[in-house]
Amino acid sequence: NAGVMQNPRHLVRRRGQEARLRCSPMKGHSHVYWYRQLPEEGLKFMVYLQKENIIDESGMPKERFSAEFPKEGPSILRIQQVVRGDSAAYFCASSKRGADYEQYFGPGTRLTVT
Amino acid sequence: QKEVEQNSGPLSVPEGAIASLNCTYSDRGSQSFFWYRQYSGKSPELIMSIYSNGDKEDGRFTAQLNKASQYVSLLIRDSQPSDSATYLCAVNVGRALTFGSGTRLQVQP
Repeated sequence: NAGVMQNPRHLVRRRGQEARLRCSPMKGHSHVYWYRQLPEEGLKFMVYLQKENIIDESGMPKERFSAEFPKEGPSILRIQQVVRGDSAAYFCASSKRGADYEQYFGPGTRLTVT
Repeated sequence: QKEVEQNSGPLSVPEGAIASLNCTYSDRGSQSFFWYRQYSGKSPELIMSIYSNGDKEDGRFTAQLNKASQYVSLLIRDSQPSDSATYLCAVNVGRALTFGSGTRLQVQP
């Protein structure tokens, strides 16, 4: 059974560029979550999605960040006009049901903004 | 007040000992509680989930939940050097999981 897949694993962007992070959930899972982990800090919830629906985006920064989970294809976390403070590990997790159920994490995308 | 609190450690135990990791949470409405293990530079790995008061055992791991005291703990028996990692407590708060900052465990050979 394939686990949660994320790509790319490492992404380097210059300030002002766009970053696109992709996540494919585990087989049989329909709920996707994005978390950010800044260096030496804990995991912070960003957004919770189901297919074609954003369920909870209370952790997303108000500007430059967006997420989608289309009917076909992976979930995408998009960061426009990246700044150095966006450098972090971005983890995707998936579950069969809502947040009260077990979430399994992908390997993460490590974003470096130069 | 932080929603999920853990002692950052490091917690140092000798090989073969019991490691005890603790977590408190503030939202009385939380129903689901999880322990994740995270090795340096890696992603979190789910090791235990617990939903009702009491103990839940899985191999060398035991999770304990006390909703009245808003307290969750993880016991690791016969600790091994390979258990050295950061252990994250996670609690569902509404539609999301809220994580503690983690306790770093060091198992000394």
